Amino acid sequence: QLQLQESGPGLVKPSETLSLTCNVSGGSISNTAYHWAWVRQSPGKEPEWIGTIFFSGKAYYNPSLKSRVGLSVDTSKNQFSLVLSSVTAADTAVYYCARRVSPFPYQFDYWGLGTLVTVSS
Amino acid sequence: DTQMTQSPSSLSASVGDRVTITCRASQSITTYLNWYQQKPGKAPSLLIYAASKLQTGVPSRFSGSGSGTEFTLTISSLLPEDFATYYCQQSYSTPFTFGPGTTVEIK
Repeated sequence: QLQLQESGPGLVKPSETLSLTCNVSGGSISNTAYHWAWVRQSPGKEPEWIGTIFFSGKAYYNPSLKSRVGLSVDTSKNQFSLVLSSVTAADTAVYYCARRVSPFPYQFDYWGLGTLVTVSS
Repeated sequence: DTQMTQSPSSLSASVGDRVTITCRASQSITTYLNWYQQKPGKAPSLLIYAASKLQTGVPSRFSGSGSGTEFTLTISSLLPEDFATYYCQQSYSTPFTFGPGTTVEIK
C-alpha cells in the first residue's frame, strides 16, 4: 500500500523559506506511470495545486507561486521536496504531498496526511 | 486559468436521501474532471476520476457524469459516513484548479 508522509517545520517566520519533504513508501518514485505533487489548503478554502515533478526532476508550477517555489526529487531516498521562499501569513496552510496518475486524466489518487505550516513571527 | 464553480455550496440531507452536486468549468475540460471527498482534519480522498470512473474501493452509491463544462456527482442513498465536503478538480490544463466545495450536512 502506497504511503506518503510530509515532514518539515510547522512554524516559519515571515520572509523566510518554507521547506518540506515527502517520503514515499510502498512504491517507487521512479515509476513513470506517476508524477508527484504538492497541494496546499488554507483554512476554510479549497485545495490549491502548487506544483508537480517527474522522477527525472522536470517540474512545473502554479504561475501564482512560480517565482517563489521550487520542487526537487531524490530517487535514492524515494522522496521529493518543496521550497517556498519569502513566505507571508497568506502561505499559512496545510501542505499535502500527493501522487498524480499519468497519463489521462491525471487524478491525485494518493495523498499524505498533510502538515500544517504556520507563518508567524 | 480554468475557474471551477460548484452548487450548492452546502446542503442539508437525511440518511437515505439522493444527493446531486453540480460542478461547472469556465471552459471546456472534456472529461478531465475528478471528484474528491474530504472529512474534517483529513486529506482529500479520490472518489471519481475522468468524470465518471469510480476509484477502486469507492462504494457504487457514488457516481459521476458530464463532459465539457458541466458535471454532476450523485450519491444515490446517503449514509452517515458520507457527510463531508466534496470538491471537483480539473486536470485539463495548468494550473490544476479545484472548485470551492460543497458541504453535505446532516438534516
